Amino acid sequence: GDSVTQMEGPVTLSEEAFLTINCTYTATGYPSLFWYVQYPGEGLQLLLKATKADDKGSNKGFEATYRKETTSFHLEKGSVQVSDSAVYFCASRGSQGNLIFGKGTKLSVKP
Amino acid sequence: DTAVSQTPKYLVTQMGNDKSIKCEQNLGHDTMYWYKQDSKKFLKIMFSYNNKELIINETVPNRFSPKSPDKAHLNLHINSLELGDSAVYFCASSQNPAGVGDEQFFGPGTRLTVL
Repeated sequence: GDSVTQMEGPVTLSEEAFLTINCTYTATGYPSLFWYVQYPGEGLQLLLKATKADDKGSNKGFEATYRKETTSFHLEKGSVQVSDSAVYFCASRGSQGNLIFGKGTKLSVKP
Repeated sequence: DTAVSQTPKYLVTQMGNDKSIKCEQNLGHDTMYWYKQDSKKFLKIMFSYNNKELIINETVPNRFSPKSPDKAHLNLHINSLELGDSAVYFCASSQNPAGVGDEQFFGPGTRLTVL
């Protein structure tokens, strides 16, 4: 069945460091792909999305490109801030509309 | 104005009890979902409803019963609670289940602790 695999955390970075969180998916066809973020004690918020191959989603300095060849949707940010500390979830859209999540990657950014 | 709201935010109860979690969305969406997040933060779909009709029912014990009185509400009732039911339960909604790229909007979560 469909699945999403993302790098295990936790990831600890210093402020202004470069961030990459790897995400790959398995699916029949080409599902829409998403990155959601969960700040401490809160629900999930959509960070960015891409609906077809080669699409680039971007928001708040974060970017991810839908790579059909490598079935990947890696999240990147050039310069992280303390306020980016959160858990990041990669997700694909299932055939019935539900989201299929990776296991989440906890990011801690130190000043 | 909260888009997807859940009550209660915290729920602590004894094993064997029956409890309900309520969810309401004011976005005019047709589809609502329940997800379970376990202690390791893993999120998994439990149920989804489209316009009050059940469309996803994952392998969930039948002690869990969703109910959708109208398309703005999706409640989750749990009978005979067990220790393993302790988790955070998230409600979500989207415009429709098949829309490409449709965003799902999540509620704040209900942290259920079974003692």
